Amino acid sequence: KQEVTQIPAALSVPEGENLVLNCSFTDSAIYNLQWFRQDPGKGLTSLLLIQSSQREQTSGRLNASLDKSSGRSTLYIAASQPGDSATYLCAVDSGGGADGLTFGKGTHLIIQP
Amino acid sequence: DAEITQSPRHKITETGRQVTLACHQTWNHNNMFWYRQDLGHGLRLIHYSYGVQDTNKGEVSDGYSVSRSNTEDLPLTLESAASSQTSVYFCASSEGVANTGELFFGEGSRLTVL
Repeated sequence: KQEVTQIPAALSVPEGENLVLNCSFTDSAIYNLQWFRQDPGKGLTSLLLIQSSQREQTSGRLNASLDKSSGRSTLYIAASQPGDSATYLCAVDSGGGADGLTFGKGTHLIIQP
Repeated sequence: DAEITQSPRHKITETGRQVTLACHQTWNHNNMFWYRQDLGHGLRLIHYSYGVQDTNKGEVSDGYSVSRSNTEDLPLTLESAASSQTSVYFCASSEGVANTGELFFGEGSRLTVL
């Protein structure tokens, strides 16, 4: 069974820093990996989707990389801003339908002004 | 803009009552999902549907049911609410075929069962 781990569970950094959030998974046979952002009391917002054949995806100040062989993905946030404060979750799709989608428990990120 | 909406956003009910949470999407996605989110457990799949008249059980389906009579809606029903079903419920949709694809989530419905 696929297991997804996100470390650290919480992170607090000063505004302006570049930072990396980590997501690791146990089974490298995946279709894709998706990063989400969740603000308090809100739903999940899709940030980036990386297909298994891709190494990385970029959107603005966000860059997500995927290394299937090592079972790792990183979300890089450049020049962090207080508005980036949120919980970031990754989800790994191992195929086989909805049951094949496994979420991590998230990293709670606080950007200090 | 296409969207996915859930209602009600907040509900308080009593043990034993039937509750229905609505989910409506205008993405025209075939796939729709219901998750619950609890502290310490993360997101867990309750039920899902790949199209009209199709429904499937997820990891934590006991005590819940869904029906899919059209593309846009997947209501979630708690037949007899229990305190253990106090949670935040999220509906999601996607257009994936061989895999789930990019997921789009609603804002959530916070349910309290007293």
